[in-house]
Amino acid sequence: DTAVSQTPKYLVTQMGNDKSIKCEQNLGHDTMYWYKQDSKKFLKIMFSYNNKELIINETVPNRFSPKSPDKAHLNLHINSLELGDSAVYFCASSQGGGQGNQPQHFGDGTRLSIL
Amino acid sequence: AQSVAQPEDQVNVAEGNPLTVKCTYSVSGNPYLFWYVQYPNRGLQFLLKYITGDNLVKGSYGFEAEFNKSQTSFHLKKPSALVSDSALYFCAVRDPSDSWGKFQFGAGTQVVVTP
Repeated sequence: DTAVSQTPKYLVTQMGNDKSIKCEQNLGHDTMYWYKQDSKKFLKIMFSYNNKELIINETVPNRFSPKSPDKAHLNLHINSLELGDSAVYFCASSQGGGQGNQPQHFGDGTRLSIL
Repeated sequence: AQSVAQPEDQVNVAEGNPLTVKCTYSVSGNPYLFWYVQYPNRGLQFLLKYITGDNLVKGSYGFEAEFNKSQTSFHLKKPSALVSDSALYFCAVRDPSDSWGKFQFGAGTQVVVTP
């Protein structure tokens, strides 16, 4: 049973297109996250939702828009894709939000390549 | 503001030898500290955490870490490394006094274990 699942695993598309990545967790956690991992493997938080409410919104271009239809799902929509958006995007979840001491559980990532 | 540093980009060790991966942190109060491991084309996997109590914490796959408050360090250790321990290791810190605070990840340390 996959705890945090992301689709698609690979995404290859042209510059200027719009694409979405979906994430679902079956752990019953109340908090979900999106991270971007660049080519140097540096991990950067993008967004976090707690019980469907946005709680962390880092300095991310407004072409990126997260949506959480319920606390088990967190999707990421990207408009007008640019070359610099090429990266691996990870979804994660945890219990207890910002003051919790529980670790995050990560999906296996979505590898986005912009041509 | 919280921060975490992993001073070594790569650690090389022979199989059977002790393995140490270094991590230092900076937070305003008492930190929550975590170690994760990432295998190629996979998401991060939780290894262990320090919240409070005993400074030596034990985790998955024979790993342990020692919290040292005076040196603001949380080094990851394994007494006898295996080739299968070759992976990318991340240290992360969270400041529990920061409401809805984010996990701050280090830049990662690549561990290479040679037979």
